[in-house]
Amino acid sequence: NAGVMQNPRHLVRRRGQEARLRCSPMKGHSHVYWYRQLPEEGLKFMVYLQKENIIDESGMPKERFSAEFPKEGPSILRIQQVVRGDSAAYFCASSPGPGARDEQFFGPGTRLTVL
Amino acid sequence: GQQVMQIPQYQHVQEGEDFTTYCNSSTTLSNIQWYKQRPGGHPVFLIQLVKSGEVKKQKRLTFQFGEAKKNSSLHITATQTTDVGTYFCAGPPIGSYIPTFGRGTSLIVHP
Repeated sequence: NAGVMQNPRHLVRRRGQEARLRCSPMKGHSHVYWYRQLPEEGLKFMVYLQKENIIDESGMPKERFSAEFPKEGPSILRIQQVVRGDSAAYFCASSPGPGARDEQFFGPGTRLTVL
Repeated sequence: GQQVMQIPQYQHVQEGEDFTTYCNSSTTLSNIQWYKQRPGGHPVFLIQLVKSGEVKKQKRLTFQFGEAKKNSSLHITATQTTDVGTYFCAGPPIGSYIPTFGRGTSLIVHP
């Protein structure tokens, strides 16, 4: 019974390169959330997706950042032309869908370092 | 926009002492969730409270949701070294599915 999977666990990029972060939700979950966490800070919501739909992207910067959750395959958070300020831990979480129980299951995170 | 504040930011205790963290939202919440994150780890769901004034217990942990559904607390009795980590509260405002997370309270337990 695999949990939420994220890869890579660690990613190093130079300024100007692209970063692709992948998230496979728990089996049976069709809702994915992406969060960003800076050291000793809370989780900042970025985007909420269902299969093939972006439900809420109010927390995601308008430029350089994009997210998708295709019908087949993992959800992907893409950061183009990375800058040093993008260095952070990026967590995805999945849930079966909003309802009486809104528990989110988090993946292990991707630690992005921009040199 | 909605803000969720948590205090204290850090708490040092001796093993065996009690610990409490408080969570306050600027808006009424549809529910409150609590998560624990160990150093270097990822958040793990602890509990969800939905009803006004609700109190739930998990062994040494007691969770409360305020009457106005704008504040919550987590109390740990007789802390152990395994309780070390950062405790986050999170709650979506009424009508939203997106939980806003507090900045967390980091608990350090000294043996």
